[in-house]
Amino acid sequence: AQTVTQSQPEMSVQEAETVTLSCTYDTSENNYYLFWYKQPPSRQMILVIRQEAYKQQNATENRFSVNFQKAAKSFSLKISDSQLGDTAMYFCAFMKHRGGSEKLVFGKGTKLTVNP
Amino acid sequence: DAGVIQSPRHEVTEMGQEVTLRCKPISGHNSLFWYRQTMMRGLELLIYFNNNVPIDDSGMPEDRFSAKMPNASFSTLKIQPSEPRDSAVYFCASRGLSQGSYNSPLHFGNGTRLTVT
Repeated sequence: AQTVTQSQPEMSVQEAETVTLSCTYDTSENNYYLFWYKQPPSRQMILVIRQEAYKQQNATENRFSVNFQKAAKSFSLKISDSQLGDTAMYFCAFMKHRGGSEKLVFGKGTKLTVNP
Repeated sequence: DAGVIQSPRHEVTEMGQEVTLRCKPISGHNSLFWYRQTMMRGLELLIYFNNNVPIDDSGMPEDRFSAKMPNASFSTLKIQPSEPRDSAVYFCASRGLSQGSYNSPLHFGNGTRLTVT
């Protein structure tokens, strides 16, 4: 079974600085997808960024980027120019690619606080 | 696009009572997922459906839990009888392969916070 590990239960960063959230996963699959979701205090789950395992280029979405190391099974999220609105729980998620709809497996999450 | 709609937003009930949580997926989406979120266990997949058919219910904790999807626009998660340890936030999410890729993200509802006293 696939597992996703987020080793940092909580992190904090000063506004405008950069922070990196860690995620590792365990799988025997070669093709799969990885995601980062954000959950602010409103409880809504919001997709931040996604990465296909067959792509070597790291995904980027504005201030959010990932460092995908397939051999190391590592998928970290970098948030640049942190903003107060980035305060939230961040979940890393894994999905197999089997040609059909598959489930997402989530890590336990990292609580990020952006301080003014 | 109204998004995934869940009801109720909050539910407080007494132990032993039946609880029914409801979900309306995004129109056109053909996969639906029920997740449970707790502080201790994080986000756990309970069950998911493809084209209204249950595919994997291995996450359903006990026979007290049941889920149905009678049509493409509605699903229920029922707990009977409820217990205090069922207290959690229950999320429904949907995904459409019509988006053209298997990496289509899940779209989550706002969740139902269930408290069983």
